[in-house]
Amino acid sequence: QSVLTQPPSASGTPGQGVTISCSGDSTSIGIHHVNWYQHIPGTAPRLLIHTSDQRPSGVPDRFSGSRSGTSASLAITGLRSEDEGDYYCTTWVGRLSAWVFGGGTRLTVL
Amino acid sequence: EVQLVESGGGLVQPGGSLRLSCAASGFTFSSYDMHWVRQPTGKGLEWVSGITTGGVTFYSGSVRGRFTISRENAKNSFYLQVNSLRAEDTAVYFCATGLAGWDYWGQGTPVTVSS
Repeated sequence: QSVLTQPPSASGTPGQGVTISCSGDSTSIGIHHVNWYQHIPGTAPRLLIHTSDQRPSGVPDRFSGSRSGTSASLAITGLRSEDEGDYYCTTWVGRLSAWVFGGGTRLTVL
Repeated sequence: EVQLVESGGGLVQPGGSLRLSCAASGFTFSSYDMHWVRQPTGKGLEWVSGITTGGVTFYSGSVRGRFTISRENAKNSFYLQVNSLRAEDTAVYFCATGLAGWDYWGQGTPVTVSS
């Protein structure tokens, strides 16, 4: 069982919005920021959100992140077909002295 | 332009060893923590190991004691010595870095552990 829990799948139609959750605990998300990555198989992962809610330059404002308590979320609005892929949250876990990824969420744009 | 280029992957027998390399360019390498992340076939991303600018190293529990990360700032490169390889170490290994989150990634080098 991963330290960070994500739903295995999410879906939406073009133009809709979707939210992907990432559940941790008091030793992970409860005290450390979260980063989100998009990974399309066969390519390098792409940083979407850092420090829980900050968007790197070049990432569309359709992507936003939030963190509250021991959970974090990635929201995507105005879904596009090119958003299909796998989405991962990650954070530092001090008690493990390690970074940990969530199990990943496969997003399908119907 | 920032570039990270991995090399050193390949087919190795269980119990064998490899040395993965990541050559960096386009940024001040010595100022960045560096990381290895892997993706086993059909599975999710897994952080493997990281090394700070000061040379402090960190490992995931699944590789601690078998893998060793190191860096050579003069060559803008860092490495992952992978020993005592197991079938479950089969994966594409990516190097990654960034100052807030990992903005920069290589394209990955595949490691296959099989007899």
